[in-house]
Amino acid sequence: EVQLVESGGGLVQPGRSLRLSCAGSGFSFGDHTMTWIRQAPGKGLEWVGFIRRAVYGGASEYPASVKGRFIISRDDSKSIAYLEMRSLQSEDTAVYYCTKEGQPGHGYFDLWGRGTLVTVSS
Amino acid sequence: SYELAQPLSVSVALGQTARIPCGGDNIGSKSVHWYQQKPGQAPLLVIYRNDYRPSGIPERFSASNSGNTATLTISRAQAGDEADYYCQVWGTSVVFGGGTKLTVL
Repeated sequence: EVQLVESGGGLVQPGRSLRLSCAGSGFSFGDHTMTWIRQAPGKGLEWVGFIRRAVYGGASEYPASVKGRFIISRDDSKSIAYLEMRSLQSEDTAVYYCTKEGQPGHGYFDLWGRGTLVTVSS
Repeated sequence: SYELAQPLSVSVALGQTARIPCGGDNIGSKSVHWYQQKPGQAPLLVIYRNDYRPSGIPERFSASNSGNTATLTISRAQAGDEADYYCQVWGTSVVFGGGTKLTVL
């Protein structure tokens, strides 16, 4: 079955760190850019960052809202992508989705995980 | 930074045609993608590259993109089409519209 499964969410105190994982199966994981997208409670979708395929150097990009605090990495041998989040703030409370890019270079997400909830609170 | 504007809500009578706009500066020069999100579920790709439908998405879903507006069209609207709909582009960064809640009356 083609799927993405996120894990690692939970309750975390402000200022602390958390690492999310995204396990892919049923497709050639290493052939796709992997992107994290979040959704705060009752809000819209927000891009958190992506990591390109190894053939493109595995480069990553982030929006200003998380740059310097969030790091995405990947282990293609295990078909897993990671989202390392540091200095977490209440504004980071959201469901975090892992997504797979469709056709390379076309910038759409044709497979989404079910998401994992991160709650930042003391 | 690039921005996409969507109305907060759109209503459509059962069996009629719903049109959900997505506005952006010269959006017609970009590749626009659309997602459907039902309560408690992850988003689902319904249109990619302006007007392509993924496998399994009904032909009732179509889209266009020209000038400063992209539009998702849902023909013969059904109760099951009630959802939030998001447009998205990828230029220098990934950008989503704010989302439109579709209500089928």
